[in-house]
Parts: sequence; structure tokens; C-alpha cells
Amino acid sequence: DAKTTQPNSMESNEEEPVHLPCNHSTISGTDYIHWYRQLPSQGPEYVIHGLTSNVNNRMASLAIAEDRKSSTLILHRATLRDAAVYYCILRDVGYNAGNMLTFGGGTRLMVKP
Amino acid sequence: EAQVTQNPRYLITVTGKKLTVTCSQNMNHEYMSWYRQDPGLGLRQIYYSMNVEVTDKGDVPEGYKVSRKEKRNFPLILESPSPNQTSLYFCASTSLEGYEQYFGPGTRLTVT
Repeated sequence: DAKTTQPNSMESNEEEPVHLPCNHSTISGTDYIHWYRQLPSQGPEYVIHGLTSNVNNRMASLAIAEDRKSSTLILHRATLRDAAVYYCILRDVGYNAGNMLTFGGGTRLMVKP
Repeated sequence: EAQVTQNPRYLITVTGKKLTVTCSQNMNHEYMSWYRQDPGLGLRQIYYSMNVEVTDKGDVPEGYKVSRKEKRNFPLILESPSPNQTSLYFCASTSLEGYEQYFGPGTRLTVT
């Protein structure tokens, strides 16, 4: 399985943009890039996903490198509520792969007021 | 409201006493999964189900059983719990076409 590499932790100031990087140099052509986050004492929560093109939704933006070997989750204005562990996950959409998500260590984002 | 519910949320039990953690979703999703989360190891998948009566092992299935008799329910069964199954457990669901997994609030299990 293709793996992802993320920094263990990052810090941000409230109301500033945050760029969370993820390296996935062994990504395959059928791997989607997913981002989830886990707030303290809660289950993981879907943030965004993409295949090749950059994606935007109400929570965040996902910037994918042209060679797909890395991606960046962008929170445009961090709030205290965004303090969480952010997971970058590759998911194969092949039929026999089921719908598994393989979580790595993630990046713990700390937001300072 | 779309949600995944788990019960109980907290459970303390003793070694060898069979237990079941229930999971239910109200979104008519085909896929359901169980994960465990341990410090330093992240989330690991235990079992998953692609539809009623279709289940398969994830990364760490030893010591666990599941069943999928109804589409909305996916109970996790520990026939003879051991202390190494002390963990935080999450149930999740998603549709065949969807990319977003919905996670339950978690069940914290302690086996003494």
C-alpha cells in the first residue's frame, strides 16, 4: 500500500492560513487523496478528497502537485476549533479494495489565540 | 440528522467476559467498518462489511467477530476479551458511491 508522510505537529495563529503538507511519493494511479481530521475526544471527520485537480469545499482546499507525489491541505483562516489531528490518507478505489482507510500518524495542529 | 451511533460509549469489563459493541447508521450505507485507535499506532481497521452478510478482515481482526444481518447494524463482538483489547473503538459507514466516511463517537473499552 502506498504510504503518506506528514509532519508530527504544526502550530498556527488564529485567523491565519494554515498549509498542512503530505508526501505520498509511491501513490498509484487509482489512489485518491483523502483528508480527515480528529478533534479531541471525537471520531474522525471527513475534510476533503481529490484525485488530480485542486479541490475546494466549505471546510478547506486541497492542492495536489502535478506529479501527485505530494499534496497540501489549506485551511484559509484557522480558528481554535480547527485544532485537531489531520490525517492524509490514500484510498484505492479498486473494487476488491473495499472501502478501507489506512490512517497514519497524522499532523497535530495547534492553533494559538 | 445523518449519524453513526455506538453503544456503549464506555465499558469496563474483565478478561474472558463476552461483550458486544453495537453500531448503527441511519444513512442506508452499504459499507461499514470497525477501527481501533491506540496511542502511537493510530487507527487500524478490524473488520469491514461491503453489504448485508458480506464481511471481511481488516488489518487487526484477531480476537474479534462481526456480523451484518441488517444493513443499518454492524455489531462488534469480543468473545473472550483480553487486556490487549483495551482501546478506543470507532465504527464508520459510507455509501458505495460516496467518498466520505462517517464515524461514530467512539467506545472506550477497558479490559482488566
